[in-house]
Amino acid sequence: GAVVSQHPSWVICKSGTSVKIECRSLDFQATTMFWYRQFPKQSLMLMATSNEGSKATYEQGVEKDKFLINHASLTLSTLTVTSAHPEDSSFYICSAGWTGGYEQYFGPGTRLTVT
Amino acid sequence: RKEVEQDPGPFNVPEGATVAFNCTYSNSASQSFFWYRQDCRKEPKLLMSVYSSGNEDGRFTAQLNRASQYISLLIRDSKLSDSATYLCVVRPISSGSARQLTFGSGTQLTVLP
Repeated sequence: GAVVSQHPSWVICKSGTSVKIECRSLDFQATTMFWYRQFPKQSLMLMATSNEGSKATYEQGVEKDKFLINHASLTLSTLTVTSAHPEDSSFYICSAGWTGGYEQYFGPGTRLTVT
Repeated sequence: RKEVEQDPGPFNVPEGATVAFNCTYSNSASQSFFWYRQDCRKEPKLLMSVYSSGNEDGRFTAQLNRASQYISLLIRDSKLSDSATYLCVVRPISSGSARQLTFGSGTQLTVLP
């Protein structure tokens, strides 16, 4: 089946720094990638949808200048949390799919802790 | 009202028990329905799709009632390894290439020895 990787799997950073999370589709070309955030004991909340080669579409309430998404190739999307604060500490999960496809394949997630 | 609502549980059941989870969704135009399983600190994994006619996969049975906008998951002969959070997931009708998913908040199941 389709495999999606994320890197890093966990990261601890200081408040005010920026963190980049990579999401890669290893054995297929992902025309669409989704970024989710999950706080403890809550569900996954979609942050943004990115289509390769175009700007990401952000969900209401998600600051696009704080969460920078780049989907420059069919196998890589990145999420950069800029000027991270403790309230950004969360589990960030990406998923990937392709045009016309119904499945989304999830990465293993990245646990971000901002101190 | 949340787009997808689930009873959060927790459900604590003995091994071998039968347990049922329910879910309701608000968008009557929703297109596709799924149950995902999420283990602690892991990504969600597709358990099964849900079809109008109902479908079964081993010990798991899923039902969809479009008129009531209601989805259910039945687990028979529960195993310790079934302990997880079960997420009800709905795909609303969308245009273009994006096929977004809307997740319920999940129902936590613990199967006890």
